[in-house]
Amino acid sequence: DTAVSQTPKYLVTQMGNDKSIKCEQNLGHDTMYWYKQDSKKFLKIMFSYNNKELIINETVPNRFSPKSPDKAHLNLHINSLELGDSAVYFCASSSTSKTGELFFGEGSRLTVL
Amino acid sequence: AQSVSQHNHHVILSEAASLELGCNYSYGGTVNLFWYVQYPGQHLQLLLKYFSGDPLVKGIKGFEAEFIKSKFSFNLRKPSVQWSDTAEYFCAFSMNTGFQKLVFGTGTRLLVSP
Repeated sequence: DTAVSQTPKYLVTQMGNDKSIKCEQNLGHDTMYWYKQDSKKFLKIMFSYNNKELIINETVPNRFSPKSPDKAHLNLHINSLELGDSAVYFCASSSTSKTGELFFGEGSRLTVL
Repeated sequence: AQSVSQHNHHVILSEAASLELGCNYSYGGTVNLFWYVQYPGQHLQLLLKYFSGDPLVKGIKGFEAEFIKSKFSFNLRKPSVQWSDTAEYFCAFSMNTGFQKLVFGTGTRLLVSP
């Protein structure tokens, strides 16, 4: 039973399109994250939600909009996709009682053509 | 700004060789330290972590890391690597205040040849 699951795993789309990636965790965690891993494997945090409230919002274009309908779900919507958005997007979750220890999903590889 | 520096970008070893991957972080306060591993095509998994106490921590698969506060370092070691250790290794830290976010290093790609 997957702890942090993301869909879709692969996404190929044209520039200018809008797409969403969904994430769900069944670990009972209260904090969820989106990380972006670029082609050089560098991981950078984008957003974090704690109990459905946005707590971390790094310097990310406002074309990216996270939504957390409940604390087990964190979705990422991207408008007007650009070539530079091509990356692997990782969802993660953690418990605030377990400082900084994240559990990652398998990643969603987005390719913008 | 807080950052993590991993000195080795690519490491190639033969099986049974010893491994040490360097990691230095940049932050003056109390930190929690982590090593994550990403096997080819897979998600990141926690290898080991340091929160407090004994600065030498042991993780899964025979890995260990030592926190040296004076050097802001948290190097990863394994006495004898195996082919299955081929992966990308990421050092990370979080600040011990407020809501946590992990700051990752740029990763070290380890290739172990049989």
